[in-house]
Amino acid sequence: EDKVVQSPLSLVVHEGDTVTLNCSYEVTNFRSLLWYKQEKKAPTFLFMLTSSGIEKKSGRLSSILDKKELFSILNITATQTGDSAIYLCAGRNTNAGKSTFGDGTTLTVKP
Amino acid sequence: EPEVTQTPSHQVTQMGQEVILRCVPISNHLYFYWYRQILGQKVEFLVSFYNNEISEKSEIFDDQFSVERPDGSNFTLKIRSTKLEDSAMYFCASSPGRADYEQYFGPGTRLTVT
Repeated sequence: EDKVVQSPLSLVVHEGDTVTLNCSYEVTNFRSLLWYKQEKKAPTFLFMLTSSGIEKKSGRLSSILDKKELFSILNITATQTGDSAIYLCAGRNTNAGKSTFGDGTTLTVKP
Repeated sequence: EPEVTQTPSHQVTQMGQEVILRCVPISNHLYFYWYRQILGQKVEFLVSFYNNEISEKSEIFDDQFSVERPDGSNFTLKIRSTKLEDSAMYFCASSPGRADYEQYFGPGTRLTVT
C-alpha cells in the first residue's frame, strides 16, 4: 500500500523564522511528488518534483526531491503570518496519476 | 485562469439517500479524479477516470459509489445509499495528462449525512 509520511505534524514559529517541512514516501510506480498549501478548502498547488536534486523555487518557498532516499523537503524562509496553513505532500504514480497524500504539517506563524 | 468548479458547495442529506456531486473539470483536461477529506483527516484518493472509464480506484470506492461523465463537460460522483461515515469534503481534480502534470483541485463539496 502506498504511504506518504510528513513531519512534523505541527509547527509554531514566529514571523521571520525559516522552516523545513519533511515528506517521505513509498509509492509504487512513483512518478512525481507534489506540495500543496491548504488554507480553508481545496489544496492549492505549490510545486511538482520529478527529478532528484533539482531545487524548485517560488519566492520564499523552495523544494527538493531525493529519489534515492525517497523524501522531499519544503523550505519557507522569512515566514509571514499568511504562510499559516496546512502543507500537504502527495506522491503520484505513473498509472493514472493517483495522488497519495500525507497527513499534512500544520504551520502556525505568530506575529 | 481556467479552474475546476464543483456544485453544490454544501449538501445535507439523510442516511440512505442518494446524492450526486457535480464537477466541471478544466476543458482540455483528460484525467479526472475524486478525493475526499473527512474532517481532520488526510485527503484520500477515491477514483481516477480517463477515456470514459475508471482507471484506478481505492478500497473506499465500493459498490455504493459510481462516476460518470454524462455530457463531455460534467464529471459526477454518485453515492447510492449514503451512510453517516460518508460525511466529508469531496474534491474533484483534473489534469491534462498523467503523473507529469499538476492536478488542479476544485473548491470541494461538503457532504453532511444526518
